[in-house]
Amino acid sequence: DAMVIQNPRYQVTQFGKPVTLSCSQTLNHNVMYWYQQKSSQAPKLLFHYYDKDFNNEADTPDNFQSRRPNTSFCFLDIRSPGLGDAAMYLCATSRSGRSLGNEQFFGPGTRLTVL
Amino acid sequence: GNSVTQMEGPVTLSEEAFLTINCTYTATGYPSLFWYVQYPGEGLQLLLKATKADDKGSNKGFEATYRKETTSFHLEKGSVQVSDSAVYFCALRGSSNTGKLIFGQGTTLQVKP
Repeated sequence: DAMVIQNPRYQVTQFGKPVTLSCSQTLNHNVMYWYQQKSSQAPKLLFHYYDKDFNNEADTPDNFQSRRPNTSFCFLDIRSPGLGDAAMYLCATSRSGRSLGNEQFFGPGTRLTVL
Repeated sequence: GNSVTQMEGPVTLSEEAFLTINCTYTATGYPSLFWYVQYPGEGLQLLLKATKADDKGSNKGFEATYRKETTSFHLEKGSVQVSDSAVYFCALRGSSNTGKLIFGQGTTLQVKP
């Protein structure tokens, strides 16, 4: 089945130690998104890639970076995690285009713990 | 700017009760509207969608109708089950090609046997 895969499902890191979360997709979608979701809150968009074009949200801290080496993979790098970065990180994909009905497909998420 | 407002939870119902979760939106133009569901510890799953006024989205017994005159997209189900316990997010997508979603704050539904 076509899907969005996130690894690992659970990640524990230490305060200030860089960490990378990965996302892959078999849907061949050209848009990929990274969201941060804290407990009992809606997902918050960090950035997205439209093909190779990176689009950062205005309020995303510089501590968060992303890479998309090819259509299928996208990485979220947190350069110096703080305690406030502990959250669920969700990857999503969608097709672009004028059809407003193109929904986003979400992965299962990576739960990040910062010690 | 675009925004989505959902009724606050948690919503607690007995099995087989009728469910309504209110969702209203503010948007320019003609957005698409979505309901996503999130089970504990999992990502979001699309529950249903509607892309134009008066469209009704439906799936797994859930329904929602895109009401442009009231800018609403309320989620309903006639008879809930314990397995429907989850967080429900209403979302809209505006007219940009990037498909950026604007989410409501989420409503937790707990169904008791």
